[in-house]
Amino acid sequence: KAGVTQTPRYLIKTRGQQVTLSCSPISGHRSVSWYQQTPGQGLQFLFEYFSETQRNKGNFPGRFSGRQFSNSRSEMNVSTLELGDSALYLCASSLTSGTSAKYGYTFGSGTRLTVV
Amino acid sequence: AQKITQTQPGMFVQEKEAVTLDCTYDTSDPSYGLFWYKQPSSGEMIFLIYQGSYDQQNATEGRYSLNFQKARKSANLVISASQLGDSAMYFCAMREGRLYGGATNKLIFGTGTLLAVQP
Repeated sequence: KAGVTQTPRYLIKTRGQQVTLSCSPISGHRSVSWYQQTPGQGLQFLFEYFSETQRNKGNFPGRFSGRQFSNSRSEMNVSTLELGDSALYLCASSLTSGTSAKYGYTFGSGTRLTVV
Repeated sequence: AQKITQTQPGMFVQEKEAVTLDCTYDTSDPSYGLFWYKQPSSGEMIFLIYQGSYDQQNATEGRYSLNFQKARKSANLVISASQLGDSAMYFCAMREGRLYGGATNKLIFGTGTLLAVQP
């Protein structure tokens, strides 16, 4: 069974540009959550999508947005990149939203974004 | 607000010895889930163990066990017989609850503990 696939694995962008990251969840999983990991702020929740609807959103500026397609694949977009957006972006796939199952969340390997 | 605290930034352990990684949490929600993840240098978050707030027994998964003390709001991870491959960052996380029932898939993470296993 394929795991969670995040593409690209590495990305270098210039300040002011925009970027789109992709996350393909485990087959059958309908929920995708996104997290930003930085040395200074640690792991922070960005947003969660379930059945193409945003269910929950973290405390990030509007430059961070996402969407989910009918096949459950999700993309997140960051516009007008800033140096502080350099981070590892992780997505987590889950069968449902609000799951309490102990194996509820499977993470991808992440996309490492560097803004120069 | 819900919060996870990991007070050990880094730890050393000798190979084959046991090690305990500390985690305390704060929540007013009676229903919550606690997770431990391992993050090697490659970046992927690997699920280790889960404890539900209503689970009567401490969770165990192979060499991993969770010392769950609900009254003290602690959920310490115990790794028995450490191996060199256990060297990694370890995160404690809590699934955020919601008022009036229903849970989300939002995980709140601690700052992590970097474990180094020495031969």
